[in-house]
Amino acid sequence: DTAVSQTPKYLVTQMGNDKSIKCEQNLGHDTMYWYKQDSKKFLKIMFSYNNKELIINETVPNRFSPKSPDKAHLNLHINSLELGDSAVYFCASSQYALTDTQYFGPGTRLTVL
Amino acid sequence: QKEVEQDPGPLSVPEGAIVSLNCTYSNSAFQYFMWYRQYSRKGPELLMYTYSSGNKEDGRFTAQVDKSSKYISLFIRDSQPSDSATYLCAMTEGGSEKLVFGKGTKLTVNP
Repeated sequence: DTAVSQTPKYLVTQMGNDKSIKCEQNLGHDTMYWYKQDSKKFLKIMFSYNNKELIINETVPNRFSPKSPDKAHLNLHINSLELGDSAVYFCASSQYALTDTQYFGPGTRLTVL
Repeated sequence: QKEVEQDPGPLSVPEGAIVSLNCTYSNSAFQYFMWYRQYSRKGPELLMYTYSSGNKEDGRFTAQVDKSSKYISLFIRDSQPSDSATYLCAMTEGGSEKLVFGKGTKLTVNP
């Protein structure tokens, strides 16, 4: 009964490829997020969706495109992968907004070769 | 100046020690302050959550917020080896949807 799940857990791919990371939450939350944690462990928000609507879009290259088919899912698609995209990507969810407790997924470790 | 500053450590203490972790921030509009714990190769988990100034205690953990100094602290009493993790502070304005994290402090508690 995992609260926030992500697939895959590990992703190794070549530069220039397109890849997707999936996220699902079974908590009934309205808001979902994508974070990037770089090699120095710095965690930074990328996107936030509330009820399938984009509400935060930080300064992220447009090669990154989030997609929310329903409020329990927020997938991240990355086009033309670059070396600098290598990081751990975390999905999270909260009931309404950032002032609510956020529950994080286990992370997807992306390595671009 | 970064919005949130946190000493990355690493911090190594003996079991039973009192640990003090701190963050400073520059945005006086921040009102909600959180501490997350992140074990190696895991996602962050919320540890403590404080609104505005003051103290909050939960078991061995105490969170303090001093808005006048723009300084927040997390104290861990009687530290245990299981407390070994990276601790991240995070804060938000409240009306804004953006949560800003510190870089995290890596703590090791030695048995």
